[in-house]
Amino acid sequence: EVQLVESGGDLVQPGGSLRLSCAASGFTFSSYWMHWVRQAPGKGLEWVGNIKQDGIETHYGDSVTGRFTISRDHATSSLYLQMNSLRVEDTAVYYCARGTNDAPGIDSWGQGTLVAVSS
Amino acid sequence: QTAVTQEPSLTVSPGGTVTLTCASSTGAVTSGSYPNWFQQKPGQPPTTLIYSTSNKHPWTPARFSGSLLGGKAALTLSGVQPEDEAEYFCLLYYGERHLWVFGGGTKLTVL
Repeated sequence: EVQLVESGGDLVQPGGSLRLSCAASGFTFSSYWMHWVRQAPGKGLEWVGNIKQDGIETHYGDSVTGRFTISRDHATSSLYLQMNSLRVEDTAVYYCARGTNDAPGIDSWGQGTLVAVSS
Repeated sequence: QTAVTQEPSLTVSPGGTVTLTCASSTGAVTSGSYPNWFQQKPGQPPTTLIYSTSNKHPWTPARFSGSLLGGKAALTLSGVQPEDEAEYFCLLYYGERHLWVFGGGTKLTVL
C-alpha cells in the first residue's frame, strides 16, 4: 500500500524558513516523479512543484520559484520541500503526492501538513 | 498568467448525469495537457479519479469518466450517488514551461 506521510509543518514568521519532509513507503520511491501541492484555508489546490526520479530535474510554480527548493533522498525514501522567504500567503496545508507511473499526472496523496506564516 | 477555469458549482439529482468541464486560458485543452481529475471531500486530502484525459485508476468508480469536449477537458458522472457530493479539481500540464496548473474547483451538490 502506498503511504506518504508529511511532517515539519509549523507556525513561522514572515521572512522565515521551514523544511517539510515526506516519508514514502509501499512502493519503489526512486521510480516515480514526486510533487508538492498546497491548499490555503478554504481555497483550492495549487501545484507547488515536482522532482524527477533522478533528483536533478525540478520544476516550480510561479508563486514559489526562487524561494522553494524540492529535493529527494532515495536511501531513505524521503521527499523534501525547503521553503525560504516565507510570506503570509504561503499559509496552507502542504501535500506530498506521487506521480503516475505510465503517464504524466498524480495518483497518490499524503494527509498533508499545515504551515502557518504569521507574525 | 496561465489560468484553468472550472464551473464554481453544479447541482445534480441522485441517479442523474452531470458533466464538469476544465478550460485553459491559453486555448484548447488537448491530450497533451494530460488532464487529471481529483475529488476532495471536506477535511480530507484529494483522491485521484482520472489521469491522462480518460484513464482510470483501479479505485475509480465506473460511473466516473473523462474526455475532451469542445476544447475542454470533461469529467462525467453517470448515475450520481449521494457520496459523490464533493469538490472536484482538474489539473492541466503545460509542457513548454514544465508547469502544472489546477483549476479553481467545482463544488458538486447532490440534491
